[in-house]
Amino acid sequence: DTAVSQTPKYLVTQMGNDKSIKCEQNLGHDTMYWYKQDSKKFLKIMFSYNNKELIINETVPNRFSPKSPDKAHLNLHINSLELGDSAVYFCASSPALGTEAFFGQGTRLTVV
Amino acid sequence: GENVEQHPSTLSVQEGDSAVIKCTYSDSASNYFPWYKQELGKRPQLIIDIRSNVGEKKDQRIAVTLNKTAKHFSLHITETQPEDSAVYFCAASYNFNKFYFGSGTKLNVKP
Repeated sequence: DTAVSQTPKYLVTQMGNDKSIKCEQNLGHDTMYWYKQDSKKFLKIMFSYNNKELIINETVPNRFSPKSPDKAHLNLHINSLELGDSAVYFCASSPALGTEAFFGQGTRLTVV
Repeated sequence: GENVEQHPSTLSVQEGDSAVIKCTYSDSASNYFPWYKQELGKRPQLIIDIRSNVGEKKDQRIAVTLNKTAKHFSLHITETQPEDSAVYFCAASYNFNKFYFGSGTKLNVKP
């Protein structure tokens, strides 16, 4: 009964490929986020959705496209993967914008 | 946008000693300040948070202080234990829109 679950946990792919990471939360939260954690452990917000509506879109390349089919899901699709996209991607959710965020276990993406 | 700076980047203490991690923020409108602990290979987890209408909050061995005038907040861990070893992140948010995280502090508690 994991609260915020991401799949896959590990993803190794070649440059130029397109890949998706899925995220689901069963907490009934209204807000979901995607964060990127680079090799230096710096956590940076990418997107935030509230009730399926895009709230925040930080300076992220257009190759990254989030999709929220419903309140409980926020998927991340990445086109034309580049070496610099290698990182750990965390999904998170919170009851409302800016309240405590619960993180998924992360997806370690490696682009070779 | 908000800019959160965190110091030190690494901190090594002896078991039983106290550890203090400091963060500053730039946007005076920020009103929510959580602290997250991330153990190696695991997800960040909230350990304590404070809102701008409070100056200090304590939960057992951890406490957070907030100085709104100076725009800084700190995490205090007393009687440190080896299991406190992890990376700690501070964050700031305004009107619950988004979190800006600090760069993280790697805490090592030596037994």
